[in-house]
Amino acid sequence: AQSVAQPEDQVNVAEGNPLTVKCTYSVSGNPYLFWYVQYPNRGLQFLLKYITGDNLVKGSYGFEAEFNKSQTSFHLKKPSALVSDSALYFCAVRVNNAGNMLTFGGGTRLMVKP
Amino acid sequence: DAGVIQSPRHEVTEMGQEVTLRCKPISGHNSLFWYRQTMMRGLELLIYFNNNVPIDDSGMPEDRFSAKMPNASFSTLKIQPSEPRDSAVYFCASIRDTRSYNEQFFGPGTRLTVL
Repeated sequence: AQSVAQPEDQVNVAEGNPLTVKCTYSVSGNPYLFWYVQYPNRGLQFLLKYITGDNLVKGSYGFEAEFNKSQTSFHLKKPSALVSDSALYFCAVRVNNAGNMLTFGGGTRLMVKP
Repeated sequence: DAGVIQSPRHEVTEMGQEVTLRCKPISGHNSLFWYRQTMMRGLELLIYFNNNVPIDDSGMPEDRFSAKMPNASFSTLKIQPSEPRDSAVYFCASIRDTRSYNEQFFGPGTRLTVL
């Protein structure tokens, strides 16, 4: 069975500082990894994904994530946080040849303070 | 493209009443998912359709819940009878199944309150 862990319920960061939202996964196969963001009263929006190739993936709104196979991690990062980045972030995994179902982490609330 | 469309956006009903949530996936997408989001349990997958056929309904909590997809452009999630613990935000998502690594597109959700 596949699983995703987001160890932090909330991450607080000051505007302009770098941010990291952590994600680790457990799968028995090659993972496809995704990050989604959810703003208040909205559905989830796709940010970025890792399929294969370069371990550093760039996505929307200046976010990037680094795939680390040895540590089974896919942490979300941004060099300089904005107050408008405050939202709920979800990491998700899908295993190749296992259908289209995603397994989501529990979510991490990012709070960026001015 | 209008994206995934869900209706109603908000639903308030009384315990015991039937509730029907609706979803229109993005045109050309052939997989559809229903999720439920609560503070306590986070985001849960309820059921997944591929080419209008239910593939995995193991997340459907009880027999009170049922979902249908009569055609490629419409799906419903029905709760009968509804209970207060069904109060949650219900999301529909769709995906174009031509490549297994495509991302899912989510609708805006239906906020259900059962009194």
